[in-house]
Amino acid sequence: NAGVTQTPKFQVLKTGQSMTLQCAQDMNHEYMSWYRQDPGMGLRLIHYSVGAGITDQGEVPNGYNVSRSTTEDFPLRLLSAAPSQTSVYFCASAQATGELFFGEGSRLTVL
Amino acid sequence: AQKVTQAQTEISVVEKEDVTLDCVYETRDTTYYLFWYKQPPSGELVFLIRRNSFDEQNEISGRYSWNFQKSTSSFNFTITASQVVDSAVYFCALSEAWTGNQFYFGTGTSLTVIP
Repeated sequence: NAGVTQTPKFQVLKTGQSMTLQCAQDMNHEYMSWYRQDPGMGLRLIHYSVGAGITDQGEVPNGYNVSRSTTEDFPLRLLSAAPSQTSVYFCASAQATGELFFGEGSRLTVL
Repeated sequence: AQKVTQAQTEISVVEKEDVTLDCVYETRDTTYYLFWYKQPPSGELVFLIRRNSFDEQNEISGRYSWNFQKSTSSFNFTITASQVVDSAVYFCALSEAWTGNQFYFGTGTSLTVIP
C-alpha cells in the first residue's frame, strides 16, 4: 500500500528559485491538504482541496500555489522561494470525516 | 483564536510513570471530530485515535487511554506505565463538519521518557 507519497524528501533552494513538491495518494480520498511544520508552531495548513478542481487557502497560503486536476495528485508550488519557507512540509489526505493520512514529509531549505 | 490548545509544550517522565497530555478545543459546531497523532523522532505522523462529538465514551487501547469531556471541551490522552518508545511529539487535532473536513492542529506536546 503506497498511501500518500511525497517527493522529494529533501530539497535545497536558493532564494528566488521555484519548485514543486509532488503529492499523490492512491486511496481515492477526496480531501487533500498541505501543512508546514516549524519548531514550536505545530502543523499549519497551507492549502487544501475537497475534490478535483476545488482548492482553498488555509492558515498560511502566501507564497504557495496549488492545483487539483485529478483526485490522486495535489502538487504544491513555491513560486519564488524565500528563507521563511524553510520548513518541513507534509501532504495529507482523508475521506470525509476520517483521519488524515500523512506522507513522510519533505524537508526544504531555502538559502 | 486557537481552536486547539495544548498547553504543555514539553513533559519529561521517568519510565513506568503515567503521564497525561492535555488538549482543549474550541468549536461552535455540534458535529466535530477529535484526533491524536504521534510524531516519533523519525518524523512521520502516526494516527492514534479519532473521536466524534456524539461519542463521549472513554477509550482504552493497551497502555493508551483517552478522556473526552464535552463539558470542558477537553480530549486528554493518558499513557500508563510509560516506555522509552513513547518519547515523541503528540498532536491533538480538531475537524469540524461544516468546514468540509478542515483540520486544526495544536502546537504539540513533546514527551520525553527517561529510562
